[in-house]
Amino acid sequence: EAQVTQNPRYLITVTGKKLTVTCSQNMNHEYMSWYRQDPGLGLRQIYYSMNVEVTDKGDVPEGYKVSRKEKRNFPLILESPSPNQTSLYFCASSPGQGTYNEQFFGPGTRLTVL
Amino acid sequence: SQQGEEDPQALSIQEGENATMNCSYKTSINNLQWYRQNSGRGLVHLILIRSNEREKHSGRLRVTLDTSKKSSSLLITASRAADTASYFCATDAWGNNRLAFGKGNQVVVIP
Repeated sequence: EAQVTQNPRYLITVTGKKLTVTCSQNMNHEYMSWYRQDPGLGLRQIYYSMNVEVTDKGDVPEGYKVSRKEKRNFPLILESPSPNQTSLYFCASSPGQGTYNEQFFGPGTRLTVL
Repeated sequence: SQQGEEDPQALSIQEGENATMNCSYKTSINNLQWYRQNSGRGLVHLILIRSNEREKHSGRLRVTLDTSKKSSSLLITASRAADTASYFCATDAWGNNRLAFGKGNQVVVIP
């Protein structure tokens, strides 16, 4: 089944404890992206990647890192999480190297930073 | 970056009625996309309309795009309780390689 998977789905952690949220897609998509969703703010893009080894900042990249070593995986790294990073995170992928096509979203990761 | 803005932000209708929501944006776009989200789940793509298209249909969904007014509308005909969800528009600006989402429009369909 064609899908985008994220792990973990739920995570409660403490300030400063490094964490990684994994994202994997099995559709051979070039474009991958991370968003965060907060009440009243909609979805905001954190980072995106147009292909392997190519990543770029979105609207809210501060406090996050990403890497794209393989086409299928695009992990989101929080080196030192803070409470303002408590949010619902979505990974998405899309065919092609831009946003010309529909995006396929993962199920989301709900992160709470205490 | 530009951002789509949906209007109205919340809509409550009876099953069988039509639901219309609008999206406005600020700069030139390559395409505009509509997504649906059920209660905290992942977004599901509904329709993509390109800047040279004016109208597109998919089942009970109809999307229009007016680039001169920088606006789009999503019409859901003969709504069902299962259409209860949040609906987002997202714009792809030329050469931006990024998708900018609006804040969402909550639709409640009452059985």
